[in-house]
Amino acid sequence: AQSVTQLGSHVSVSEGALVLLRCNYSSSVPPYLFWYVQYPNQGLQLLLKYTTGATLVKGINGFEAEFKKSETSFHLTKPSAHMSDAAEYFCAVSDTGFQKLVFGTGTRLLVSP
Amino acid sequence: KAGVTQTPRYLIKTRGQQVTLSCSPISGHRSVSWYQQTPGQGLQFLFEYFSETQRNKGNFPGRFSGRQFSNSRSEMNVSTLELGDSALYLCASSIGTSGGSETQYFGPGTRLLVL
Repeated sequence: AQSVTQLGSHVSVSEGALVLLRCNYSSSVPPYLFWYVQYPNQGLQLLLKYTTGATLVKGINGFEAEFKKSETSFHLTKPSAHMSDAAEYFCAVSDTGFQKLVFGTGTRLLVSP
Repeated sequence: KAGVTQTPRYLIKTRGQQVTLSCSPISGHRSVSWYQQTPGQGLQFLFEYFSETQRNKGNFPGRFSGRQFSNSRSEMNVSTLELGDSALYLCASSIGTSGGSETQYFGPGTRLLVL
């Protein structure tokens, strides 16, 4: 069965600092991996996804993630945090056959001025 | 292009009642998936419908059911509500023909409170 582990339920950074949100996955087949962001009282918005090909994936709002098969990781980074990045971030892995996402428990990003 | 819409946005029910939630996918999308989000269990997959057929199902009791109409709109129903059913219910749509690599676009959710 597929699973996702997000290390750290809360991550605090200062505005302008590097953002690093960790995600490790378990999958018996080559995975499809996603990062979503959720703002308060809203649904989920896709930041980026990895399906095949280039292992460094660029997304919206300056975020990127690198798929590392040897480490079974898909960490999310952003070089410089902005106050508007404060939200909850979810890593997810997809079953290859169907539209079924398995989510991590989420990481709340706090950005201080 | 309009996004995924869910109605109602907020709902209050009492234990034992039943509830129906509605989801209208993005135009042209034929797959609709439902997820439950709670503080304790996080985001969990309920089921997915494609062309009016349930194609995949999560580990929820039979009180949770759904259906999809010919226009791809979907409804989910929860019967005999329990306090633990209080959650944000998210609907997501995708084209549905390319498997797990497709992006699922999420609606704003319906927040259900069971008293």
